Amino acid sequence: DGGITQSPKYLFRKEGQNVTLSCEQNLNHDAMYWYRQDPGQGLRLIYYSQIVNDFQKGDIAEGYSVSREKKESFPLTVTSAQKNPTAFYLCAVGRFQETQYFGPGTRLLVL
Amino acid sequence: EDQVTQSPEALRLQEGESSSLNCSYTVSGLRGLFWYRQDPGKGPEFLFTLYSAGEEKEKERLKATLTKKESFLHITAPKPEDSATYLCAVQANNFNKFYFGSGTKLNVKP
Repeated sequence: DGGITQSPKYLFRKEGQNVTLSCEQNLNHDAMYWYRQDPGQGLRLIYYSQIVNDFQKGDIAEGYSVSREKKESFPLTVTSAQKNPTAFYLCAVGRFQETQYFGPGTRLLVL
Repeated sequence: EDQVTQSPEALRLQEGESSSLNCSYTVSGLRGLFWYRQDPGKGPEFLFTLYSAGEEKEKERLKATLTKKESFLHITAPKPEDSATYLCAVQANNFNKFYFGSGTKLNVKP
């Protein structure tokens, strides 16, 4: 953290609802990433963006969508198509192909 | 297939009892190996980046080393505040993404 903010800290989703997780950075890094963390598993990449107005799918993109309209912001939408959304979501930033720095995370729970 | 395996899954130490955490990897051309510390409910905190076999880096009681097949995170005379989950990640030369291990949960008792 220290320049990477994620909000909210906790998010509750109802059945069939889309929810959006925010990630903002003031480190002036081009690359931004979204990961999902489940207990006992390594971090899994959902989406990443190397530059404004461009993003790529990661390993588990189904049921998620992103946008990158500004360098500072990379919001993640968890759609109703994601059937098992309960997890800890982490945003990371960095210079492309170099060390990634993580935000504080958002915990998503299903009601 | 690119893969990262961390061992042990959990480690309990007495304060002052030194030990090592292991990160074994298979990757087609290593660009970098990264160590992070993660406290419960928080995002991972960056510790070290290693780029080539033989490289070592130190920070307080932690020392990371790298060979062609694995990395070790050595913890010397740990304190209770070193208790956390330690994550290892690798990046291959020809891919944009990091591959993460599932972590080692370290508990240091006073």
